Amino acid sequence: EPEVTQTPSHQVTQMGQEVILRCVPISNHLYFYWYRQILGQKVEFLVSFYNNEISEKSEIFDDQFSVERPDGSNFTLKIRSTKLEDSAMYFCASSYDRAAGDTQYFGPGTRLTVL
Amino acid sequence: AQSVTQPDIHITVSEGASLELRCNYSYGATPYLFWYVQSPGQGLQLLLKYFSGDTLVQGIKGFEAEFKRSQSSFNLRKPSVHWSDAAEYFCAASNTGKLIFGQGTTLQVKP
Repeated sequence: EPEVTQTPSHQVTQMGQEVILRCVPISNHLYFYWYRQILGQKVEFLVSFYNNEISEKSEIFDDQFSVERPDGSNFTLKIRSTKLEDSAMYFCASSYDRAAGDTQYFGPGTRLTVL
Repeated sequence: AQSVTQPDIHITVSEGASLELRCNYSYGATPYLFWYVQSPGQGLQLLLKYFSGDTLVQGIKGFEAEFKRSQSSFNLRKPSVHWSDAAEYFCAASNTGKLIFGQGTTLQVKP
């Protein structure tokens, strides 16, 4: 069964450093998402992406964040200058359609620790 | 503001016992509703979803959920829990594509 993969599984970085989290969505999916979960808090939507453009973003997704689909398979989330409060589990998801009811398939997550 | 609430942070049940996990939503109109499960080291896996029609939805792994509009609820149930059901369960809602999640319920299963 196709699945979404994410690398690395755990990333440790120093405050102020740039990080890139990578995701490989399911191959025929067209819509891509990033969510995050700070320890002990809810899973929160960050951004959705379609046709090489951001479709929607949350208030969390400020200028420090960017997303890119650099080739036909990868979908990346970049944090330019990490802060302590960026420490969280980051989930990538993909779906074939962007309809509200379409199933989003999630990757296993990348745990980001900012020291 | 749109929100999803799971009142129970942690639930413990005995193996073989029945299970009900609660979920309430607050939306202007009835959203699409989902239940996801996350086992350690795994991604979020969809158990079931509700769009419209029959208010009792069947999902994978023997789970079902009932939509009750009057109570703004979408509770997840399973008649007999197995030890492998121990995991974290997330209720989520959507009416635009992005998912809004509840805070999750951790299920522990006693032998």
